[in-house]
Amino acid sequence: SYDLSQPPSVSVFLGQTASITCSGDKVGDKYVCWYQQKPGQSPVLVIYQDNKRPSGIPERFSGSNSGNTATLTISGTQAVDEADYYCQAWDSRTYVVFGGGTKLTVL
Amino acid sequence: QVQLQESGPGLVKPSETLSLTCAVSGYSISSGYYWGWIRQPPGKGLEWIGNVYQSGSTFYNPSLKSRVTISVDTSNNRFSLKLNSVTAADTAVYYCARRSSLGGSSSWFDSWGQGALVTVSS
Repeated sequence: SYDLSQPPSVSVFLGQTASITCSGDKVGDKYVCWYQQKPGQSPVLVIYQDNKRPSGIPERFSGSNSGNTATLTISGTQAVDEADYYCQAWDSRTYVVFGGGTKLTVL
Repeated sequence: QVQLQESGPGLVKPSETLSLTCAVSGYSISSGYYWGWIRQPPGKGLEWIGNVYQSGSTFYNPSLKSRVTISVDTSNNRFSLKLNSVTAADTAVYYCARRSSLGGSSSWFDSWGQGALVTVSS
């Protein structure tokens, strides 16, 4: 099966840049998307096709994907960005795969 | 704007079948897209269950495939999930969602329901 690995937690100071990684074998050959989930809420898509932002998602959210690592970057992190973040990719054998999730704490 | 709403029993007994329905509004299922189910056990991460197309074609998570059936009802603009032989490990919030793609390996869920908690317990 295909697996995506994320760090369980990431901390960032208010106003600084947060980077959340998503590792998988040759994940750079696949398209990755990212979801934000706040407590008690449904996931919200923040990045699709590696680096595209859906309408309504702030410009401070960006994504990249190369080699074995995809990265979600939040520039000028705000308190409202504190949430769980999940990466997701599509694999030809296991189809939809989610990473384990990363809890972002804003200090 | 598409909206999705899950419905179904919140409590299911072990060994029985979990059944949920997702009502779609603001978009006709017949117009396209895949539609999916994703679950999240309490305090844990997201797990994809499967997708269904308007034609009824399906893709399932290999780890759940033997127990899952997803079907589509275009006349009522809804799709459904059945998971049989449930155990306590199937206790989770179950989400329905719309899956978008621009071809190839691109695949993402752009609209989600609010989720339905299903507890498996006797």
